[in-house]
Amino acid sequence: GAVVSQHPSWVICKSGTSVKIECRSLDFQATTMFWYRQFPKQSLMLMATSNEGSKATYEQGVEKDKFLINHASLTLSTLTVTSAHPEDSSFYICSARDGGLKVSSYNEQFFGPGTRLTVL
Amino acid sequence: AQSVAQPEDQVNVAEGNPLTVKCTYSVSGNPYLFWYVQYPNRGLQFLLKYITGDNLVKGSYGFEAEFNKSQTSFHLKKPSALVSDSALYFCAVRVGNQGGKLIFGQGTELSVKP
Repeated sequence: GAVVSQHPSWVICKSGTSVKIECRSLDFQATTMFWYRQFPKQSLMLMATSNEGSKATYEQGVEKDKFLINHASLTLSTLTVTSAHPEDSSFYICSARDGGLKVSSYNEQFFGPGTRLTVL
Repeated sequence: AQSVAQPEDQVNVAEGNPLTVKCTYSVSGNPYLFWYVQYPNRGLQFLLKYITGDNLVKGSYGFEAEFNKSQTSFHLKKPSALVSDSALYFCAVRVGNQGGKLIFGQGTELSVKP
């Protein structure tokens, strides 16, 4: 149980185009999903917290108009990188927190396998 | 400000020897501490967590971690390292009043040689 998938696993796009990344919780309901960005051999940097049915909460310094987040259902959140540029190339990882009937502050997060974005 | 530090960028261990990956934290309130492992081009896999109770926490793949409140540490340990343990390890802390947000350390690359 507690599987999170991401699609696509990798994507190459031209500068100026938009790319959508999906994050799905396969066997549980995730009221909260998180989007992270990771540069090679570096830590994960939280970009935003996505709550089902409401607007995402972005971390300081993250452009909400560039990184559009939609969490339309309890099992799906999407991250759209708009007008992508080479500096947006990175590894994007989502995680989902099992809301279920045991919502608490220490419910662990389950991570997706990540999406490698390369912008040419 | 909440923070997590992993003082070692890399740890090298011979197979069969014990390993320790260090983590210290600075948070206000009760810390909820986690260890994750990441293999190349993959997401993070949960190893173990400390919420409350016994200071020694046992997790996946033979790993354990000891919560030390006085030293604000949560070091990851394993009695006998395997080559397959070679990966990137992240310590993280979550504070309940921040909506479940995780703060990660910078990561430690563990290399286990045969």
